[in-house]
Amino acid sequence: AQTVTQSQPEMSVQEAETVTLSCTYDTSESDYYLFWYKQPPSRQMILVIRQEAYKQQNATENRFSVNFQKAAKSFSLKISDSQLGDAAMYFCAYRSAMGAGTALIFGKGTTLSVSS
Amino acid sequence: DTGVSQDPRHKITKRGQNVTFRCDPISEHNRLYWYRQTLGQGPEFLTYFQNEAQLEKSRLLSDRFSAERPKGSFSTLEIQRTEQGDSAMYLCASVRGQSSGANVLTFGAGSRLTVL
Repeated sequence: AQTVTQSQPEMSVQEAETVTLSCTYDTSESDYYLFWYKQPPSRQMILVIRQEAYKQQNATENRFSVNFQKAAKSFSLKISDSQLGDAAMYFCAYRSAMGAGTALIFGKGTTLSVSS
Repeated sequence: DTGVSQDPRHKITKRGQNVTFRCDPISEHNRLYWYRQTLGQGPEFLTYFQNEAQLEKSRLLSDRFSAERPKGSFSTLEIQRTEQGDSAMYLCASVRGQSSGANVLTFGAGSRLTVL
């Protein structure tokens, strides 16, 4: 079975600084998808960034980028120029490419606080 | 329709009572998922529908839990004889897709259950 591990329960960063959230996963599959989701307090979960395992190039979305190391099974999220609105719980998630409806498997999350 | 709607947002009930949650997915989304999220944890998969067919159920979905999606539109999640351990946020997510696991789930804001 696949597992996702986020080893940092809490992280903090100052406005305009850069922070990296860690995620490792375990799988025997070669084709899969990885995601970072953001869950602000009392609000719905939204997608931050997505990575296809077959792509070597790291995904980037504006201030958000990932460092995808397939051999190490590592998928970290870098937030540049942090903003107060980035404060939220961040979840790393894995999804198999086998099967049309396979569910997302989430890590336990990292709570990010941003100070001014 | 701009998102996934869940109702009620918060339910407080006494142990032993039955509760039902409703999810209205984005109208063109054929796949619908239910997740459970306890405080400080990541979401855990409960069950999944493709159109009206319930295709997968997690071991977490005990006999007291039942989910339906009549006519492939909205879905309901019923918990019978609630227990204090059922207290959690119940998340619904939907996606339009056929065979690609890359399709991104859209989450609702969740229904929070408190069992006294």
